[in-house]
Amino acid sequence: AQSVTQLDSHVSVSEGTPVLLRCNYSSSYSPSLFWYVQHPNKGLQLLLKYTSAATLVKGINGFEAEFKKSETSFHLTKPSAHMSDAAEYFCVVSAPNDYKLSFGAGTTVTVRA
Amino acid sequence: GAVVSQHPSWVICKSGTSVKIECRSLDFQATTMFWYRQFPKQSLMLMATSNEGSKATYEQGVEKDKFLINHASLTLSTLTVTSAHPEDSSFYICSASDPWGLTYEQYFGPGTRLTVT
Repeated sequence: AQSVTQLDSHVSVSEGTPVLLRCNYSSSYSPSLFWYVQHPNKGLQLLLKYTSAATLVKGINGFEAEFKKSETSFHLTKPSAHMSDAAEYFCVVSAPNDYKLSFGAGTTVTVRA
Repeated sequence: GAVVSQHPSWVICKSGTSVKIECRSLDFQATTMFWYRQFPKQSLMLMATSNEGSKATYEQGVEKDKFLINHASLTLSTLTVTSAHPEDSSFYICSASDPWGLTYEQYFGPGTRLTVT
């Protein structure tokens, strides 16, 4: 079985400063890991995904994440936050060759002007 | 590519009535679709996995007679909430998987806001 733990329920940053969203995973196998973003009353948009290729994954809108097997982590970062980054972020894990996703509880990001 | 649509985007219905939500994969064929439920400020909860041409697989605790799922074609799955009650009010999101893709990525629809009065 696989699961993810998002370590922060809420992150507040100033515009132009770095963003760090922390995610630890638990998996019996080499997992696939995803970060999704959800704006209010909208569906989910894929930011990036890790599927056993490069451990540093670059996504859309300047986001990137690093897969660290030794730390079982997949933290999401962005060097400079923008007001439009205010949203809910979900770290998600799936087992290899499996469609079923396990979602973290989510991290709410607010961006201060 | 890989666009999933849902219809309607929001619906209000009276208690005791049924409502149908459609999920369509617009530019790919999806043998497997998923239905999720999301309460305010909470994460997504998988309700069921829908496979084209066969019965849906429901997660533990989800009433299959209340949440009817039909996946009659490779591009359409429907979720019918029968005899809806106010506690069924929620945000329902579907996703679809492209079986020919290189990964098992799911593509999510924009969601349907259901309010039962």
